[in-house]
Amino acid sequence: DIQMTQSPSTLSASVGDRVTITCRASQSISSWLAWYQQKPGKAPKLLIYKASSLENGVPSRFSGSASGTEFTLTIASLQPDDFATYYCQQYNTYWWTFGQGTKVEI
Amino acid sequence: EVQLVETGGGLIQPGGSLRVSCAASGFSVTSKYMTWVRQAPGKGLEWVSAIYTGGSTYYAESVKGRFTISRDNSKNTLYLEMNSLRVEDTAVYYCAGGEGYMDVWGKGTTVTVSS
Repeated sequence: DIQMTQSPSTLSASVGDRVTITCRASQSISSWLAWYQQKPGKAPKLLIYKASSLENGVPSRFSGSASGTEFTLTIASLQPDDFATYYCQQYNTYWWTFGQGTKVEI
Repeated sequence: EVQLVETGGGLIQPGGSLRVSCAASGFSVTSKYMTWVRQAPGKGLEWVSAIYTGGSTYYAESVKGRFTISRDNSKNTLYLEMNSLRVEDTAVYYCAGGEGYMDVWGKGTTVTVSS
């Protein structure tokens, strides 16, 4: 199985900060990577797919990039609504896997 | 409106069986890759199973041989049949649909395995 290693596990930030979350795949997954945001008690919400494509309706302060097997989610200017947990997910193979999650807290 | 609604969760004893359902509206369950994702209390997301548009099915190692994913096209509903349940299967079970990435999610149904 492909392992997805996400870092950091927790990130403390302030409103207006630029935030970067990294996800590393254990082998090549091309660009088959998605990012999700989850708030407590809610279902995950798709932010980014195919490594860098922004889902409809998602604010442009969110962006994704890739370099080999390392993928990055960037929030350009953190807003109060962005405090949540973020997950990456690979869908390169038939057996999809998530990263462990990154909690963005104040 | 595109929507997924899960039902069927509950409290079940270890070794028992349970079937959870996911009713879709606004799209056909045959038009997307449909999946089940679970989240144990205080833990991260775990992919459980998927059924592709052509009907092929795939399972995580942790549930292979115990869980079965299926769909009823006439009812536009996705199912997850869970057998030989273990305490560690306790989680919120979400159904989701997409093209590998998941752009439609239900609100989840809670399955608790406990004696």
